[in-house]
Amino acid sequence: GQQLNQSPQSMFIQEGEDVSMNCTSSSIFNTWLWYKQEPGEGPVLLIALYKAGELTSNGRLTAQFGITRKDSFLNISASIPSDVGIYFCAGQLFTSGTYKYIFGTGTRLKVLA
Amino acid sequence: EADIYQTPRYLVIGTGKKITLECSQTMGHDKMYWYQQDPGMELHLIHYSYGVNSTEKGDLSSESTVSRIRTEHFPLTLESARPSHTSQYLCASSEYWGSGTQETQYFGPGTRLLVL
Repeated sequence: GQQLNQSPQSMFIQEGEDVSMNCTSSSIFNTWLWYKQEPGEGPVLLIALYKAGELTSNGRLTAQFGITRKDSFLNISASIPSDVGIYFCAGQLFTSGTYKYIFGTGTRLKVLA
Repeated sequence: EADIYQTPRYLVIGTGKKITLECSQTMGHDKMYWYQQDPGMELHLIHYSYGVNSTEKGDLSSESTVSRIRTEHFPLTLESARPSHTSQYLCASSEYWGSGTQETQYFGPGTRLLVL
């Protein structure tokens, strides 16, 4: 079945550092979504990408839809303590006659003040 | 900003009880989903709906059932709760863009279920 490999699994960084995480797959996706989830809450959409090569920013966050449509990355610049959480990627593809989402396993980010 | 709501947020219940987890959205989205997620783990799709009177099972087998009588409402029911049902349940809805091949999915805050 389709799989999304998300890396790194976890990161411990100092406040002010930049962060980079990515998702890769052997499948081709129509859409890439990046979410942040805090404990006990639902994922909150950060950035949505719809075209191969698209580069989109949301404040200190930047994400890109890979040219091959099989990967995406998310960068966070100048991290702050409230960036702590789990970041998930999700790719949307058309399979078995329907559109479905595949989720990455998450990147757990901890920011040390 | 997504307007999607779930109740209750937390539920502790005994084995064998029937429970219904509520999900509603005010955005007029046709497509809605239920996911199951263990703490810190990935999301698993258990049910989805394309619109009123449409429901489909997801990738993860679940003993729960869903209904979609109104566009804005997508409740999930467990007829007889068991400890193995303990998890977080996330509801989501999505809107289509462009030619209908692009979709953005929004999540509710989740219901954390503990079955004793």
